[in-house]
Amino acid sequence: EVQLLESGGGLVQPGGSLRLSCAASGFVFGGYVMNWVRQAPGKGLEWVSGVNESGHNTSYADSVKGRFSISSDKANSTLFLQMNSLRADDTAIYYCARGRIAGVTLYFDPWGQGTLVTVSS
Amino acid sequence: QSVLTQPPSVSAAPGQKVTISCSGSSSNIGNNYVSWYQQFPGTAPKLLMYEDNKRPSGIPDRFSGSKSGTSATLGITGLQTGDEADYYCGTWDSRLRLTVFGGGTQLTVL
Repeated sequence: EVQLLESGGGLVQPGGSLRLSCAASGFVFGGYVMNWVRQAPGKGLEWVSGVNESGHNTSYADSVKGRFSISSDKANSTLFLQMNSLRADDTAIYYCARGRIAGVTLYFDPWGQGTLVTVSS
Repeated sequence: QSVLTQPPSVSAAPGQKVTISCSGSSSNIGNNYVSWYQQFPGTAPKLLMYEDNKRPSGIPDRFSGSKSGTSATLGITGLQTGDEADYYCGTWDSRLRLTVFGGGTQLTVL
């Protein structure tokens, strides 16, 4: 069974840092684009960051560029998101999602259960 | 303000049909595949439709997807109370060079 399990969320002060992890199982981790998608309380979905199959090419939403860093450990089938200089508007549930490619489009299947990040003093 | 526009809410009676629209532009829906996601309260989104109109295994054929020009539509027939959820469309935006989502539509089955 394909599974994604996030961890590392919590309460952090503005300006602080947090590192999220996503443990993958049930598929060949190195064969997919892996992503982080977030959802602020009561709001919609926002793609945050992605890393390609090799782990060498990364991309970010403008809202997190320069503050967040995505990486992957293929040996341990784990995806990471290092979040620095956190702001109140980064408060959200962060989902790990496996990306499937269709043309130039990514669709996401499956999603992890999410981990809540709260940025507040 | 989402790049893709969805109605905030739709409603219909059990057994009826409902459609949820997703409007975009030539830089996103007009030239790229659309996917749809279903999200129940307190749970993660789940893929409902991909490549405009393809259903993943396990998704009943009561759910359908279509696209015309710069708009996509999710259709649900034979509505059940268990279909009450939020529905999101998503696609690639070639101008912004990132994946974009609609603001989501809350479906109520009265």
